[in-house]
Amino acid sequence: DGGITQSPKYLFRKEGQNVTLSCEQNLNHDAMYWYRQDPGQGLRLIYYSQIVNDFQKGDIAEGYSVSREKKESFPLTVTSAQKNPTAFYLCASAPGRTEAFFGQGTRLTVV
Amino acid sequence: AQSVTQLDSQVPVFEEAPVELRCNYSSSVSVYLFWYVQYPNQGLQLLLKYLSGSTLVESINGFEAEFNKSQTSFHLRKPSVHISDTAEYFCAVSDEAGGYNKLIFGAGTRLAVHP
Repeated sequence: DGGITQSPKYLFRKEGQNVTLSCEQNLNHDAMYWYRQDPGQGLRLIYYSQIVNDFQKGDIAEGYSVSREKKESFPLTVTSAQKNPTAFYLCASAPGRTEAFFGQGTRLTVV
Repeated sequence: AQSVTQLDSQVPVFEEAPVELRCNYSSSVSVYLFWYVQYPNQGLQLLLKYLSGSTLVESINGFEAEFNKSQTSFHLRKPSVHISDTAEYFCAVSDEAGGYNKLIFGAGTRLAVHP
């Protein structure tokens, strides 16, 4: 059935390592988003993409990178430059301005 | 750029009591507004949305929200809450600039329903 799939659900990273979070959607949506969630801070936008091969920085893009080679996929890489990467990461897609659909999230912990 | 303020970080309430979760947004000519709900360790689910038309919008589980343009508010209400309504609630506004659209979220309100 249709939806957004994030994997893995839990991820552990050693300091200094890069790690990639997967986000796949089969809703045929043009727009995709990555948000970071920390307690008491709501959702903060990392990157977003309106079409294939195009993406824009959000409010907290430093230390992150993305690609949009296919409409269905929008992976997020957390690089070693991100000093405080432990957080809950949420991917979303949207057909337009009407609403966004969210995946179940990936909890990243630095060990 | 748009911004969203949720005025209460936590709202405790007893079961079957009414509740109001407050949300204010910065002014815009055209605004789409949303309420999302999040249960622990899960993604966000759309609760209700205002796009145009009637200023009072309702969800299937008894929540309602009223768009008030003059007060730039979109408060969420329920006349009688259940234990199962315990969750975090996020207000969001759709911001369109330069041909790009993004959702801007408030900091969230944690609703705790007690027996």
